[in-house]
Amino acid sequence: TQLLEQSPQFLSIQEGENLTVYCNSSSVFSSLQWYRQEPGEGPVLLVTVVTGGEVKKLKRLTFQFGDARKDSSLHITAAQPGDTGLYLCAGVSDYKLSFGAGTTVTVRA
Amino acid sequence: DSGVTQTPKHLITATGQRVTLRCSPRSGDLSVYWYQQSLDQGLQFLIQYYNGEERAKGNILERFSAQQFPDLHSELNLSSLELGDSALYFCASSAGVGEQFFGPGTRLTVL
Repeated sequence: TQLLEQSPQFLSIQEGENLTVYCNSSSVFSSLQWYRQEPGEGPVLLVTVVTGGEVKKLKRLTFQFGDARKDSSLHITAAQPGDTGLYLCAGVSDYKLSFGAGTTVTVRA
Repeated sequence: DSGVTQTPKHLITATGQRVTLRCSPRSGDLSVYWYQQSLDQGLQFLIQYYNGEERAKGNILERFSAQQFPDLHSELNLSSLELGDSALYFCASSAGVGEQFFGPGTRLTVL
């Protein structure tokens, strides 16, 4: 069983549409990270959120950490084909990262 | 390019065999982490080393072992291989607690 549950598992949208990926857990984390992984490569860190209720923006990507530091969301505005990839959330606790199973996002041109 | 290197990129072997995966962390990073990624289990943390010492252990099987050498490179040894060990194995490094930089991975296929 995954410590972090991500939903949806797969998401396919048209270029220009918005999308939201969710990451939920019953555990509290000291911080939460979002990674993006492309086929044949390792995950690359997008953002780290630390404070409950924190919102971070990275161009068209908005990340939110839940008030109780158990859940997070990633929202992409006006998605582009270059946003295609596997999005992974990871909770940080005791120096260890626990990853969700990931959401595979496909943005069609 | 994350600065983390892993060799080999691909490895094909038979059940019962033993293999060694190698990782060189980013310059200056003291921590090395090993992960296994399979289709049905996702990305699973195996083990972490910090400056040569084991720091944290995850879902690592007893058939698997790792070490970090004085020059900070690390090796993951997988023995008595089974079909289910086929997966992508990633190494990551970090300077401390925080961002981990992942290598390109080693794809292991056990036939």
